[in-house]
Amino acid sequence: AQKVTQAQTEISVVEKEDVTLDCVYETRDTTYYLFWYKQPPSGELVFLIRRNSFDEQNEISGRYSWNFQKSTSSFNFTITASQVVDSAVYFCALGSSNSGYALNFGKGTSLLVTP
Amino acid sequence: DAMVIQNPRYQVTQFGKPVTLSCSQTLNHNVMYWYQQKSSQAPKLLFHYYDKDFNNEADTPDNFQSRRPNTSFCFLDIRSPGLGDAAMYLCATSRDAVNTEAFFGQGTRLTVV
Repeated sequence: AQKVTQAQTEISVVEKEDVTLDCVYETRDTTYYLFWYKQPPSGELVFLIRRNSFDEQNEISGRYSWNFQKSTSSFNFTITASQVVDSAVYFCALGSSNSGYALNFGKGTSLLVTP
Repeated sequence: DAMVIQNPRYQVTQFGKPVTLSCSQTLNHNVMYWYQQKSSQAPKLLFHYYDKDFNNEADTPDNFQSRRPNTSFCFLDIRSPGLGDAAMYLCATSRDAVNTEAFFGQGTRLTVV
């Protein structure tokens, strides 16, 4: 069985603060893929990053960074110097070659960045 | 420019009255998906098409059907909507399987009255 846990339901920060969104996953597959999506109030899910299970290299993209650690089955997402436009629901998702085409989403973390 | 377009953005239907939601894509992707997302919940996959091959998730109710007449279009038909079917319905596409990123539309918010 596959499972994604985002323990933080809601986070509120003040602009310019750094914030980390946690994601813990469970899978028995050796080949799997982890994703982060952003869902702004407009509704569409916006792809942020994909990581496969063989690539534990951390990644930085502007103010966004991701820390993938297989030892703890975690794929955490950090926003540096948060901005009001970062306010959204963020979903972590897991897929694998044995799960067919289904992405298993976590329940999401709602991030509110206030001025 | 939007690459996955869903119409309408908001749909109100009566209890038990069939309703169809539409999705189109300009990406020429092989795979199209329909997800259901209820309030404050994670998106849940209903079914997907790989080209013309239809794949239903095991727990998708029979009340939900889908059609993909060509590469660009995919429809979600709800034969007899119940109050519990009120949700956001998200269409997505991907070039290939789960190892490729999925592009989502803005969703159709369905209200059942």
